[in-house]
Amino acid sequence: AQKITQTQPGMFVQEKEAVTLDCTYDTSDQSYGLFWYKQPSSGEMIFLIYQGSYDEQNATEGRYSLNFQKARKSANLVISASQLGDSAMYFCAINAGGTSYGKLTFGQGTILTVHP
Amino acid sequence: NAGVTQTPKFRILKIGQSMTLQCAQDMNHNYMYWYRQDPGMGLKLIYYSVGAGITDKGEVPNGYNVSRSTTEDFPLRLELAAPSQTSVYFCASKKGTAYGYTFGSGTRLTVV
Repeated sequence: AQKITQTQPGMFVQEKEAVTLDCTYDTSDQSYGLFWYKQPSSGEMIFLIYQGSYDEQNATEGRYSLNFQKARKSANLVISASQLGDSAMYFCAINAGGTSYGKLTFGQGTILTVHP
Repeated sequence: NAGVTQTPKFRILKIGQSMTLQCAQDMNHNYMYWYRQDPGMGLKLIYYSVGAGITDKGEVPNGYNVSRSTTEDFPLRLELAAPSQTSVYFCASKKGTAYGYTFGSGTRLTVV
């Protein structure tokens, strides 16, 4: 079984500053994928970034980067130059490989508030 | 636009009533999923399907049933609704081993 732990229920950041959202995971599979999703107050799930367990480079997508530390089983999301529109709930999720059939296990989420 | 379509968007049920949440995708994705999200929590898997005619239970299947008669449709059936099923329900799909998931916009269900 897989598990995702997000220890920060809420985070605050000043506009234009960078912020790191923590995510640790637990899996016995060697092949897995890690995801970050954004859920604004409107409720939809917005895909942000993906990191495969065999990817040697940290994933980046625009202002989003994933700080992947495999030995520590952590996959922290870094948002650079925060914008007011970044205020939302953020979820980390894992999809273990093999016979998981793409099932995602989500963490409990972190609410990010960006202050002007 | 291509994607995952969920209907209805909102619904209020009385305890003991039944209903079907509809989910349809037009991307020829073989994998489909139903998740529920309780207030302030992450998503939990209810049921999933890897192709037409093949379904299996997720983490929280009790009180629900699914069917997958076509590649496009994956309805979720609630029998004898209970207040504990008050939640937001998300349908999602993806194609095989590709990592990209497409989520529907969700159905907000309240059982009173």
